[in-house]
Amino acid sequence: DAKTTQPTSMDCAEGRAANLPCNHSTISGNEYVYWYRQIHSQGPQYIIHGLKNNETNEMASLIITEDRKSSTLILPHATLRDTAVYYCIVRGAGGTSYGKLTFGQGTILTVHP
Amino acid sequence: EAQVTQNPRYLITVTGKKLTVTCSQNMNHEYMSWYRQDPGLGLRQIYYSMNVEVTDKGDVPEGYKVSRKEKRNFPLILESPSPNQTSLYFCASSSIRTDTQYFGPGTRLTVL
Repeated sequence: DAKTTQPTSMDCAEGRAANLPCNHSTISGNEYVYWYRQIHSQGPQYIIHGLKNNETNEMASLIITEDRKSSTLILPHATLRDTAVYYCIVRGAGGTSYGKLTFGQGTILTVHP
Repeated sequence: EAQVTQNPRYLITVTGKKLTVTCSQNMNHEYMSWYRQDPGLGLRQIYYSMNVEVTDKGDVPEGYKVSRKEKRNFPLILESPSPNQTSLYFCASSSIRTDTQYFGPGTRLTVL
């Protein structure tokens, strides 16, 4: 499975966009990029996922580079409740490896008033 | 309400005393998984299951067992717990047709 690399921590002002990067240079062609977040030891929460096209939902946008070696999660208008650890993960591909998830170290995002 | 439940939520035990942490989901999901979380190490997958009677090792399976006799339940078994298994444990489930994993509230285990 492809490994991911994320910055340890980031800050963002409330109301501004938060852009969280992730490197996954060894990703294979049929592996998806997923983003989850975890607020203070609660169970992680799904945010968004994508394969190669940019994706948007009610929570965030996901931008994947053309070579798929990196991606950026965008929270368009960060709030204090978005303060959390954000995980970029690459899903195992095919057969019985489908469910095998490897979490990166995560980025601690702190949103300031 | 669609949910993943874990029991117990908190457990303090002693080295070598067998224990089971239960996980149950009411969404008819095929896929279930166990993770542990330790400071500075993030979330690490212990075991996962693609369906009934189908289980596979994650990244840190040593010292753990699982079973999947029913679709809704995926218990985590520690036959002989040791202090290095002190951790926060999460169970998760998802349908293989969607891609969203739902996580339980967590079980905080302390092994003395």
